Amino acid sequence: QKEVEQNSGPLSVPEGAIASLNCTYSDRGSQSFFWYRQYSGKSPELIMFIYSNGDKEDGRFTAQLNKASQYVSLLIRDSQPSDSATYLCAVLFSGSARQLTFGSGTQLTVLP
Amino acid sequence: DARVTQTPRHKVTEMGQEVTMRCQPILGHNTVFWYRQTMMQGLELLAYFRNRAPLDDSGMPKDRFSAEMPDATLATLKIQPSEPRDSAVYFCASVAEGSKTEAFFGQGTRLTVV
Repeated sequence: QKEVEQNSGPLSVPEGAIASLNCTYSDRGSQSFFWYRQYSGKSPELIMFIYSNGDKEDGRFTAQLNKASQYVSLLIRDSQPSDSATYLCAVLFSGSARQLTFGSGTQLTVLP
Repeated sequence: DARVTQTPRHKVTEMGQEVTMRCQPILGHNTVFWYRQTMMQGLELLAYFRNRAPLDDSGMPKDRFSAEMPDATLATLKIQPSEPRDSAVYFCASVAEGSKTEAFFGQGTRLTVV
């Protein structure tokens, strides 16, 4: 069973703080990891992807990947109320199946 | 611009009726996923296709759900007969060939079975 686990939250942070979202996955051979943001009533929107161990930064977002620990995280610096949404971790599992599996999502609220 | 297109956006139907949802993946994307999202279960993978061949539909209730990809530009998800518990948002997503590619989602079909 290929699984993706997220801390379900909800997570509340004050405006300007760092929000930290975590995700673990079961398939050690996975190569592709994604963070999606989903606003209520909308479809998931890709905000970050990471393939290599270490950090990847894009503006206020930093994705961190540790394949040995099977762990991926998303940091949001200088959080804004507009960042309030559900954040979904997704893993593209390895092999011919290439199944894209999502975690249950973490609901983030940034308080003004 | 390239996008995944789903139709219809909204569907209200009576229990027992057949429902067909359609998805047009991004041109050139060879893997198509169908997901169902509810408040209780989150995003559940129902089925997916690679190069139009079904790879895994174990997440789909076989007695009433069927998924097909008659050609590279169209994927369909059919429910017959529909039940109130099928009420959810159904998303289609497509991915290009290669291990390091992103999945793009359609806008979803919001299905309500009354």
